[in-house]
Amino acid sequence: QKEVEQNSGPLSVPEGAIASLNCTYSDRGSQSFFWYRQYSGKSPELIMFIYSNGDKEDGRFTAQLNKASQYVSLLIRDSQPSDSATYLCAVKRNAGNMLTFGGGTRLMVKP
Amino acid sequence: SQTIHQWPATLVQPVGSPLSLECTVEGTSNPNLYWYRQAAGRGLQLLFYSVGIGQISSEVPQNLSASRPQDRQFILSSKKLLLSDSGFYLCAQEDRSKTDTQYFGPGTRLTVL
Repeated sequence: QKEVEQNSGPLSVPEGAIASLNCTYSDRGSQSFFWYRQYSGKSPELIMFIYSNGDKEDGRFTAQLNKASQYVSLLIRDSQPSDSATYLCAVKRNAGNMLTFGGGTRLMVKP
Repeated sequence: SQTIHQWPATLVQPVGSPLSLECTVEGTSNPNLYWYRQAAGRGLQLLFYSVGIGQISSEVPQNLSASRPQDRQFILSSKKLLLSDSGFYLCAQEDRSKTDTQYFGPGTRLTVL
């Protein structure tokens, strides 16, 4: 079992829809959770991080964390073609530990 | 804010040749620094990390090495490249005084022929 799992996709959504990206992790001691966006041929860029159970909103993005069920998700409202990219989920146990990345989910937003 | 420089941006090297990739960071002192590799269509693989000058930890045994000669400089090297070394090499910085969040540099795309 991989430590951080994501559906590789592609996840295809129409423009204006909500895109829902999911990530599960195996380490119950994980404390910090991160979402990165990676455009083709580019380096990952941080979108959001979340530490506490519940929702965290930033513009069109909402991160949701459920530690009991060991999953973290990213919702993108009003999806735009420019959101088409690979989204990487990353998990850290605590300060001083390494980030563990999932394989990423490729999102395609169709006009 | 963090700024990370990597060079070269792209590199084509023959098998058996040496390699030196450089990463320099700005904006914070004593950062944690990381080297990752991303093979085509694959996930991120952590290669090395450093918590300070001269302190290097290796995550994957291979023909690569890393050095940190200055606080804000991280170098990835190889004496003899293999075909399997091809990939996208990413340097990342983590500011321990803030959120422990990693930020990536622009990357170096290496092709070994």
